[in-house]
Amino acid sequence: KAGVTQTPRYLIKTRGQQVTLSCSPISGHRSVSWYQQTPGQGLQFLFEYFSETQRNKGNFPGRFSGRQFSNSRSEMNVSTLELGDSALYLCASSSRGGIQTLHFGNGTRLTVT
Amino acid sequence: GQQVMQIPQYQHVQEGEDFTTYCNSSTTLSNIQWYKQRPGGHPVFLIQLVKSGEVKKQKRLTFQFGEAKKNSSLHITATQTTDVGTYFCAGPIGGADGLTFGKGTHLIIQP
Repeated sequence: KAGVTQTPRYLIKTRGQQVTLSCSPISGHRSVSWYQQTPGQGLQFLFEYFSETQRNKGNFPGRFSGRQFSNSRSEMNVSTLELGDSALYLCASSSRGGIQTLHFGNGTRLTVT
Repeated sequence: GQQVMQIPQYQHVQEGEDFTTYCNSSTTLSNIQWYKQRPGGHPVFLIQLVKSGEVKKQKRLTFQFGEAKKNSSLHITATQTTDVGTYFCAGPIGGADGLTFGKGTHLIIQP
């Protein structure tokens, strides 16, 4: 079974731009969660989607948004990028919604200059 | 706010020595999970503990869940270079806010 696939692997953007990251979950998994990982703050929960609905949301500003498609693939968008948004963005899938064990992708490394 | 604390932040050991990382939650947890992230990699699920006082073993790794379900530990016996990485605990704190991760313990092994 293929694992969680995230694209792109690396991204460099400038302040004020917006970015869209993509995540394809493990086949059959309907829940997709997004996490931001930085050296200072560690792994922080962004949001979770299940069956195209956002079920949970972390404590991030409205510039961070996401969506899930009918095939369970998910995208997250960050608008008006700030330097502090530089991070590794990890997507994780699980078979069901709620608190399940997570299968992470390799992440997208976003650098904002 | 509600959180998961992990200590130590860094641990240097000689290869062959034992290693332990501790995790404490500000609230009672329904379950706790442990993940390992190799340098340059992504977190990989190791185990989930659910019952009060539960102890589980995976080869040289021993995981414990406290009686009050507010703390947990991971102990590695006779570390090997393949154990290098960051070990995270994570729990469902606050119900609807996804998994809350500790900041991790970075295990550095000197040969």
